[in-house]
Amino acid sequence: DVKVTQSSRYLVKRTGEKVFLECVQDMDHENMFWYRQDPGLGLRLIYFSYDVKMKEKGDIPEGYSVSREKKERFSLILESASTNQTSMYLCASRRQGNLYGYTFGSGTRLTVV
Amino acid sequence: GIQVEQSPPDLILQEGANSTLRCNFSDSVNNLQWFHQNPWGQLINLFYIPSGTKQNGRLSATTVATERYSLLYISSSQTTDSGVYFCAFDQDSSYKLIFGSGTRLLVRP
Repeated sequence: DVKVTQSSRYLVKRTGEKVFLECVQDMDHENMFWYRQDPGLGLRLIYFSYDVKMKEKGDIPEGYSVSREKKERFSLILESASTNQTSMYLCASRRQGNLYGYTFGSGTRLTVV
Repeated sequence: GIQVEQSPPDLILQEGANSTLRCNFSDSVNNLQWFHQNPWGQLINLFYIPSGTKQNGRLSATTVATERYSLLYISSSQTTDSGVYFCAFDQDSSYKLIFGSGTRLLVRP
């Protein structure tokens, strides 16, 4: 069964910590995405990656960075975690050109205290 | 940017009831899709529906692109239909999928 795996289901971090959220897909997909989900706001795109070492800002990149050194892995980095980054983070992947073939991970619920 | 409004924001149904969820857009959109997020957070694509009507079992979706809205129909609802339903679109085919705020559905047994 093909899947997108996020390394942690729940995470609690302290303000100011550097936080790494990991996402791995086993479908050889070129495109990968990081979203955050907040009540009443739906999902908002943070960053996406067309392919290895390629990245592009989404709608809310401030306070985040990403790394895509290998095709299967897309990491989201919170450089200095803040309480307003408490949220559900969802990773997704898609084959290049497949406009609707998104596969999502089950999410990481991050709490910053 | 394009504004998307989903209605209703919350919906409670008795098992077996039918429902219609709606997405309205402020301008033309591309590559409209519907997603279901189950109570455990898993997001699944239901329909790719840029125009016309599609059906999959008890679910069907209709998009009227010229009038800038899309509908998701759920018939004979089951408790497993509970969760949040999102419409999403690709504004300029740039691979940036933009989500509505969602409709939270609870189906009671």
